[in-house]
Amino acid sequence: DQQVKQNSPSLSVQEGRISILNCDYTNSMFDYFLWYKKYPAEGPTFLISISSIKDKNEDGRFTVFLNKSAKHLSLHIVPSQPGDSAVYFCAASFTGTASKLTFGTGTRLQVTL
Amino acid sequence: GAVVSQHPSWVICKSGTSVKIECRSLDFQATTMFWYRQFPKQSLMLMATSNEGSKATYEQGVEKDKFLINHASLTLSTLTVTSAHPEDSSFYICSARDAGLPQTTNEKLFFGSGTQLSVL
Repeated sequence: DQQVKQNSPSLSVQEGRISILNCDYTNSMFDYFLWYKKYPAEGPTFLISISSIKDKNEDGRFTVFLNKSAKHLSLHIVPSQPGDSAVYFCAASFTGTASKLTFGTGTRLQVTL
Repeated sequence: GAVVSQHPSWVICKSGTSVKIECRSLDFQATTMFWYRQFPKQSLMLMATSNEGSKATYEQGVEKDKFLINHASLTLSTLTVTSAHPEDSSFYICSARDAGLPQTTNEKLFFGSGTQLSVL
């Protein structure tokens, strides 16, 4: 039962354009969402998060949007840079059980010159 | 940033043998570490939560006698896959939480680089 889904396994975007990575979840009890970025041969690193009490969180070039009614979140990267090429995982959790992250399958982003 | 070292990065073993994977927090103390597994084209799945000085908590469906977890110090947790079989071939990855940070802060989980296990 895949509770967190990233339906696009890969995405290619031109440098300078916007990258939009999508994530859907099925469990409406999730109330905290995170995005992780993973380079080859490295572990995932935290990128940005959002609580369910918000619908948007911004950190520099990265913005996460949350649509609770649609059970959908997205990560926007503007402008995209070649160094953003990586695999991006979305994850969901319940506040108070910080350890129990439920991950999506990841989306491989390639930013081309 | 905080560093979690995981070794080995890949291992090939014969069916029936045991494999130990180490996860070390290099510059912080981790009272809690987590072990995940990822099969091809699937997501990272939490296997167990490792607590320093106490027994690990396993997720439903994970055999505790097969996946032995030891967390004997604040900087080291080990996962031993006992009597490994080809179906145990997977990507195993650990994460650790900095004990000095609020426990509800998920973003302060630091991941190792993972171990690709292949059982022949």
